Amino acid sequence: GQNIDQPTEMTATEGAIVQINCTYQTSGFNGLFWYQQHAGEAPTFLSYNVLDGLEEKGRFSSFLSRSKGYSYLLLKELQMKDSASYLCAVRTRSNDYKLSFGAGTTVTVRA
Amino acid sequence: DTEVTQTPKHLVMGMTNKKSLKCEQHMGHRAMYWYKQKAKKPPELMFVYSYEKLSINESVPSRFSPECPNSSLLNLHLHALQPEDSALYLCASSHLNQPQHFGDGTRLSIL
Repeated sequence: GQNIDQPTEMTATEGAIVQINCTYQTSGFNGLFWYQQHAGEAPTFLSYNVLDGLEEKGRFSSFLSRSKGYSYLLLKELQMKDSASYLCAVRTRSNDYKLSFGAGTTVTVRA
Repeated sequence: DTEVTQTPKHLVMGMTNKKSLKCEQHMGHRAMYWYKQKAKKPPELMFVYSYEKLSINESVPSRFSPECPNSSLLNLHLHALQPEDSALYLCASSHLNQPQHFGDGTRLSIL
């Protein structure tokens, strides 16, 4: 199985930067995904890394190091609406359809 | 708004009732998924359909019965559910090897 770890909670100030780390242990890694989920709503896809390096999408960036089993999601210029749970999910080569999710990181943005 | 549509949004049913959850997508995705999500937990995969055939069943109890009538539709038939089955049921779809896109979910309560 997969072991995926991310912090439970993080708090930051509006306009600041927050980095959410995700570490994983898995065999046959085949991609890491980040989703945002507001309370009571569906997860929304944010970013996807298969190769090492940084993927930038506006205020959100995601980084992957396969050799370290490590990823982070960087949220810049935080806004109040960024308060949500952020889910790290890993896919393996053994099954292209199955995502294994971390427990999620709840980010609270304060004014 | 999401491109994966789920109905109903809310459902309350007794333990002896039979009901169905419906999911529809028109993005041409050939993989469709059912997830169960309890409060403050990540989504748990239940079933995967690939090209309208059941690809994954994550040892889900038989009181949950999936059906994929065509490439755009996915149903989840419910019968004799237990109170612990109360949860948010999420449908998702994707192209192979691409990010999954989630619907808004059906919030299910079992009395």
